[in-house]
Amino acid sequence: GAGVSQSPRYKVAKRGQDVALRCDPISGHVSLFWYQQALGQGPEFLTYFQNEAQLDKSGLPSDRFFAERPEGSVSTLKIQRTQQEDSAVYLCASSIEDWSSTDTQYFGPGTRLTVL
Amino acid sequence: GENVEQHPSTLSVQEGDSAVIKCTYSDSASNYFPWYKQELGKGPQLIIDIRSNVGEKKDQRIAVTLNKTAKHFSLHITETQPEDSAVYFCAASMRRNNDMRFGAGTRLTVKP
Repeated sequence: GAGVSQSPRYKVAKRGQDVALRCDPISGHVSLFWYQQALGQGPEFLTYFQNEAQLDKSGLPSDRFFAERPEGSVSTLKIQRTQQEDSAVYLCASSIEDWSSTDTQYFGPGTRLTVL
Repeated sequence: GENVEQHPSTLSVQEGDSAVIKCTYSDSASNYFPWYKQELGKGPQLIIDIRSNVGEKKDQRIAVTLNKTAKHFSLHITETQPEDSAVYFCAASMRRNNDMRFGAGTRLTVKP
């Protein structure tokens, strides 16, 4: 079946612009995660949804970052007033179970954001 | 919180040789240890995982071992092929999914 998809795959923004990154998880997956991956590093957790509820946003680096999943499927990560340090690959992952069990996360291809 | 260290950062082997990547973790409560392979321009893909109730798991040319006492786990790839060339990440988490922590990655190059 279809995997996790993300759009756009590449995004170039001028400093100060707002951006919106979309994630389509695997159908039926309860959990959805956003990660930030800097060049040459492993993914770092940003936020987690169980259905439409955002249960953990402790990894969001500032209040310029906002994520939502209003209907419990598609999610959007929004970054306001982008800064150069926001340049990274933003990965979305989904898993079938809720947070009460540890389960496999399936990653999308990521969105590479470059802030000029 | 959990801290995962991964070594080596780069690894170059000849086709047909074995490759071993090692990770250590800090939190003894961690109980799930996946390994991901990431190719250029793609997201991480799960290749194998192990839970804390077993010490070893094998899937064809790939195996993972876990030493809970020492808090380290390793990925073993045998009979390496050029298509195994990629960046490999280990990760560790406790029962909740949202505390998964990744290592910094190992760039594996398999020379034909």
